[in-house]
Amino acid sequence: SQELEQSPQSLIVQEGKNLTINCTSSKTLYGLYWYKQKYGEGLIFLMMLQKGGEEKSHEKITAKLDEKKQQSSLHITASQPSHAGIYLCGAGPLYLLGGSYIPTFGRGTSLIVHP
Amino acid sequence: NAGVMQNPRHLVRRRGQEARLRCSPMKGHSHVYWYRQLPEEGLKFMVYLQKENIIDESGMPKERFSAEFPKEGPSILRIQQVVRGDSAAYFCASSPRAGPRADTQYFGPGTRLTVL
Repeated sequence: SQELEQSPQSLIVQEGKNLTINCTSSKTLYGLYWYKQKYGEGLIFLMMLQKGGEEKSHEKITAKLDEKKQQSSLHITASQPSHAGIYLCGAGPLYLLGGSYIPTFGRGTSLIVHP
Repeated sequence: NAGVMQNPRHLVRRRGQEARLRCSPMKGHSHVYWYRQLPEEGLKFMVYLQKENIIDESGMPKERFSAEFPKEGPSILRIQQVVRGDSAAYFCASSPRAGPRADTQYFGPGTRLTVL
């Protein structure tokens, strides 16, 4: 089965600082999702990447999928307290060649932004 | 278009009781996934359902847990004879389709189960 490793596990930054969260897969990624979870709430979809080298942005958040499609990074520019939460990467269901239906998630990166 | 709805949001049960968690997918979505999030752990897949079919339940404990997604009505995750270790947040996600390309899953707010 596919495993996703996120780093760092937690991050504390001062408001206005930039930060990066990484997600590394044990297998080739056919679809990589980034979600944000506010403490005690559900997951909010941020963006999905599929093509090697793809980069997407949503407000001040940019995510990239590397060429080999085994790693993704999430970058936040000029962080704000509203960015605080848990960021999870997830790999979608695989249907290629009878692959597993099981979607996999990383353990998450907890982000705290101090004003 | 309403998002994925889950109820109840919070559920308290005593050991040995039954817990029923409901999930109404987004309109037009026929694929439902259930996940469990334990304290200090990641999100773990439990079961994937389509209308009237269980596609993959490999992540679900063999005993006491069952799930269904009937032709009409919400998907239900049922936990019989709950134990303290079942205390967790249970999330439901839905997607409009599945296929060779992974599809985006939209998550509900979760049901937080506490077993006393």
